[in-house]
Amino acid sequence: EAGVVQSPRYKIIEKKQPVAFWCNPISGHNTLYWYLQNLGQGPELLIRYENEEAVDDSQLPKDRFSAERLKGVDSTLKIQPAELGDSAVYLCASSLEVGSEAFFGQGTRLTVV
Amino acid sequence: DQQVKQNSPSLSVQEGRISILNCDYTNSMFDYFLWYKKYPAEGPTFLISISSIKDKNEDGRFTVFLNKSAKHLSLHIVPSQPGDSAVYFCAASAGGSNYQLIWGAGTKLIIKP
Repeated sequence: EAGVVQSPRYKIIEKKQPVAFWCNPISGHNTLYWYLQNLGQGPELLIRYENEEAVDDSQLPKDRFSAERLKGVDSTLKIQPAELGDSAVYLCASSLEVGSEAFFGQGTRLTVV
Repeated sequence: DQQVKQNSPSLSVQEGRISILNCDYTNSMFDYFLWYKKYPAEGPTFLISISSIKDKNEDGRFTVFLNKSAKHLSLHIVPSQPGDSAVYFCAASAGGSNYQLIWGAGTKLIIKP
């Protein structure tokens, strides 16, 4: 069974440019998470979806970040415009339901120059 | 304010000996605790969990101990193997419908041959 798939693995962009990350969760997993992980820190939740509904986006900087999960399957996370401080690893995870074990993708390492 | 703290950024242990990773938390509402393991360039993978109704959970070489009065948990790995070298994250949640995992900063475990 395929795990959580994220793309791209790496992305380098200039500041003020837009960027998008894509996530394909494990089939049948209703809950999808986007996390941000800075170097030397643990993951921090950006947004959680239950099916296609964003049920917790309190930590998402909505002035520049947006996310969607069309049809409750794949999800995209967008940053526009990117800032130098956005350089981090963006992790996607999915679980059967909220509270059950979450499976993580390999992450997208974003570098903003 | 860090609600979940892993005070040791790194730990070096001889192969075959016991590895003990520690985690402290401040939020008394946390009732579910997890340990994740992360290799370089990969996403975290679930290792073991414990509910606050228990004080110990064991899975093969891995045992998690929970001391609610001290708001402390620890992960024991016996015996330590080279493949255990990774970053270990402690995470906690308060459960309920507003489930959210709060993560520690991680401890890098190095198993010496």
